[in-house]
Amino acid sequence: KQEVTQIPAALSVPEGENLVLNCSFTDSAIYNLQWFRQDPGKGLTSLLLIQSSQREQTSGRLNASLDKSSGRSTLYIAASQPGDSATYLCAVATYSDRGSTLGRLYFGRGTQLTVWP
Amino acid sequence: DTAVSQTPKYLVTQMGNDKSIKCEQNLGHDTMYWYKQDSKKFLKIMFSYNNKELIINETVPNRFSPKSPDKAHLNLHINSLELGDSAVYFCASSQVRGDGTNIQYFGAGTRLSVL
Repeated sequence: KQEVTQIPAALSVPEGENLVLNCSFTDSAIYNLQWFRQDPGKGLTSLLLIQSSQREQTSGRLNASLDKSSGRSTLYIAASQPGDSATYLCAVATYSDRGSTLGRLYFGRGTQLTVWP
Repeated sequence: DTAVSQTPKYLVTQMGNDKSIKCEQNLGHDTMYWYKQDSKKFLKIMFSYNNKELIINETVPNRFSPKSPDKAHLNLHINSLELGDSAVYFCASSQVRGDGTNIQYFGAGTRLSVL
């Protein structure tokens, strides 16, 4: 069964630092990996999605990498800002029992990020 | 317009009651999901429907019954609510694209508190 682990569980940094959030998964049979942001009391906002055939994706100050064979992904946040404070969730998408992409998303427990001015 | 909308946003109820949470998506997707996020923020899938057919049914108590009247709606009915049912419930929808990719879009969540 797929298990997703995120390290660290919490991170508190001053504004301006470059950050690395880690995600690992136990089963490499995935078809994509997503990084989400969750603000307190809010839903999930998709930040980046990496297909299993890709190595990385970039959006603004965010860069996510994927090493499917080793079961690892990292989310890099450059020049962090107080507005980046949120919980960051990693999720891997697995194939269904019939081999379609209508499978499950398995989530990690998240990294709670606080960026202070 | 909100793509995936859930109602109510907050639900406070007594133990033993029966309650429903509604979800609607206006994205034209044919697959919808229910997830549960517990007090430790762990998100886990509960159910998934594709074209109104149940395709994922995780090990959840049979007090939880999803109902999909049409492709745009997936409601979650919970009987005999228990304290442990207190959580945030998220609805999501997706559509498999021509290249096989499948991206899920989430609603804002329903925070259920059972007293």
